[in-house]
Amino acid sequence: RKEVEQDPGPFNVPEGATVAFNCTYSNSASQSFFWYRQDCRKEPKLLMSVYSSGNEDGRFTAQLNRASQYISLLIRDSKLSDSATYLCVVSRMDSSYKLIFGSGTRLLVRP
Amino acid sequence: GAGVSQTPSNKVTEKGKYVELRCDPISGHTALYWYRQSLGQGPEFLIYFQGTGAADDSGLPNDRFFAVRPEGSVSTLKIQRTERGDSAVYLCASSPGTSYEQYFGPGTRLTVT
Repeated sequence: RKEVEQDPGPFNVPEGATVAFNCTYSNSASQSFFWYRQDCRKEPKLLMSVYSSGNEDGRFTAQLNRASQYISLLIRDSKLSDSATYLCVVSRMDSSYKLIFGSGTRLLVRP
Repeated sequence: GAGVSQTPSNKVTEKGKYVELRCDPISGHTALYWYRQSLGQGPEFLIYFQGTGAADDSGLPNDRFFAVRPEGSVSTLKIQRTERGDSAVYLCASSPGTSYEQYFGPGTRLTVT
């Protein structure tokens, strides 16, 4: 079983739709949580960090439930430019802070 | 400013050959990471450098893989006796320190034929 699990999708939604992605992690020692965005044949880029209190950045809202070891990302008013793969990422506060990635959820926003 | 750069962008090699992949981190970043991304998967951690030393090499799959960072800046990932299963995108990331955001380079796409 992978340490970070995501539904691979693809999620195919019309412009303007609201879409939600979920992710679970298995290691309770995980301390930091992120959503990264990866466009086709490009490198991953940090979309947002995820905090226990929940956080919002424009159309994007991220939530963390430590008890259930569950992370979510909500995208409101989807744009064509939101089409990408969204990677759920955790990190443990060990010596390296290496990132542990899920396999990603692919989002396609259609006109 | 300049981001993380990686060379070459693409590398095709024959099974059994030796390859070197280079990473130039953002100037001043002390932490450097190598990850490997296979098709349809997320990146997987290989090795982490703090300065010149490999502080965590727990992700290296076997002893055919080795990485160096002799002057605490540029890093080279070396793969001996390449196998077809080594085909992947090799990503390098750097950060000012371990608790900071990691910035990724564009990757080197390695194909072993």
